[in-house]
Amino acid sequence: DAKTTQPPSMDCAEGRAANLPCNHSTISGNEYVYWYRQIHSQGPQYIIHGLKNNETNEMASLIITEDRKSSTLILPHATLRDTAVYYCIVRVGANFGNEKLTFGTGTRLTIIP
Amino acid sequence: GAVVSQHPSWVICKSGTSVKIECRSLDFQATTMFWYRQFPKQSLMLMATSNEGSKATYEQGVEKDKFLINHASLTLSTLTVTSAHPEDSSFYICSARLTSGDNEQFFGPGTRLTVL
Repeated sequence: DAKTTQPPSMDCAEGRAANLPCNHSTISGNEYVYWYRQIHSQGPQYIIHGLKNNETNEMASLIITEDRKSSTLILPHATLRDTAVYYCIVRVGANFGNEKLTFGTGTRLTIIP
Repeated sequence: GAVVSQHPSWVICKSGTSVKIECRSLDFQATTMFWYRQFPKQSLMLMATSNEGSKATYEQGVEKDKFLINHASLTLSTLTVTSAHPEDSSFYICSARLTSGDNEQFFGPGTRLTVL
């Protein structure tokens, strides 16, 4: 699986949009971008994933650059409960058989009141 | 939907005892479950992949005789830490893979193991 690079920490004011970047310059054509977050002492929570098109769900939006070498997770209106470590992971899709998720160090996002 | 539970949520045991942790997919069937370990201030490390009805696949460096995994049904996988020692104290997290869609994984809440 391709490696990802994320800033170790970020702050965001409550109510503002939180934009979390992720670089994955060695991503292959069959690899998806997944985002998970982990609130302290809890299991990771799935947020969103995408292949090449931008995606949006009730939690967040995922913007993937045209060359797919980087992406941004957007939390449109951050709340204090969004304080967590956010992991960007790339892996091949299920059709290619590799189901492993390899977690990096992630970005520790702190929402400031 | 896609809820995964773990039991117990925390356990304290004496050195040398064995501890069993259960992972259940509550509202879906999971042919594949994963077990991770997380030490304080570190990221999750995959320990093994658990497949229903077959032997687990362990990651390099993980002792299969120490961390026994059983995946007897489509909704239950168990991890048994045998002869636990203080260095096994960690946060153990399981995940279950959907067999539909893009097969995303959903994680349990974790089990905090403390070995005295």
